[in-house]
Amino acid sequence: GEDVEQSLFLSVREGDSSVINCTYTDSSSTYLYWYKQEPGAGLQLLTYIFSNMDMKQDQRLTVLLNKKDKHLSLRIADTQTGDSAIYFCAESHTGTASKLTFGTGTRLQVTL
Amino acid sequence: DVKVTQSSRYLVKRTGEKVFLECVQDMDHENMFWYRQDPGLGLRLIYFSYDVKMKEKGDIPEGYSVSREKKERFSLILESASTNQTSMYLCASSFSQENEKLFFGSGTQLSVL
Repeated sequence: GEDVEQSLFLSVREGDSSVINCTYTDSSSTYLYWYKQEPGAGLQLLTYIFSNMDMKQDQRLTVLLNKKDKHLSLRIADTQTGDSAIYFCAESHTGTASKLTFGTGTRLQVTL
Repeated sequence: DVKVTQSSRYLVKRTGEKVFLECVQDMDHENMFWYRQDPGLGLRLIYFSYDVKMKEKGDIPEGYSVSREKKERFSLILESASTNQTSMYLCASSFSQENEKLFFGSGTQLSVL
């Protein structure tokens, strides 16, 4: 089956850029997503990218997709303490919500 | 804004008890989902429903059942709770089958002793 992998932990200083990485195995993925989970809360959709795109920018967030290497990354510019959370990537190749495969999540810690 | 409400933030139950986890959404979404979240394993889909009285098994349905009698409410049932069902349970909803933007509740941390 599909597999989505992330490193478990990342620590950055406030003001620096954060880069959270994700690899997936399903070459037919059509949409790839980034969700954010703040402490004590459910997940919220941050951004997504369609598989025919290489990059998507949304304010401080930049998503890069390397389809050849099946590698997705989320870059957060000027990281703030409020960015401390767990970040999940998710992929789907069928375009239906029931077929989302989530990664293990990366805990981002922002230090002063 | 869509609101997905899970009835309990924390639950402690004993092995063998029947456990009900309730979830309500207020935006008339067709799809509702139950996931469990475990450290190092991410989110795993237990069951989902795309319409009232309809349900489909997810990736890990064993030991669980669900009920969707009304469109806004989706219940997860542990028929006989076991210690390996200690986990964070997350409910989510989405507008339709084709819409993968999921809205999540804040989760129920279940401990089975």
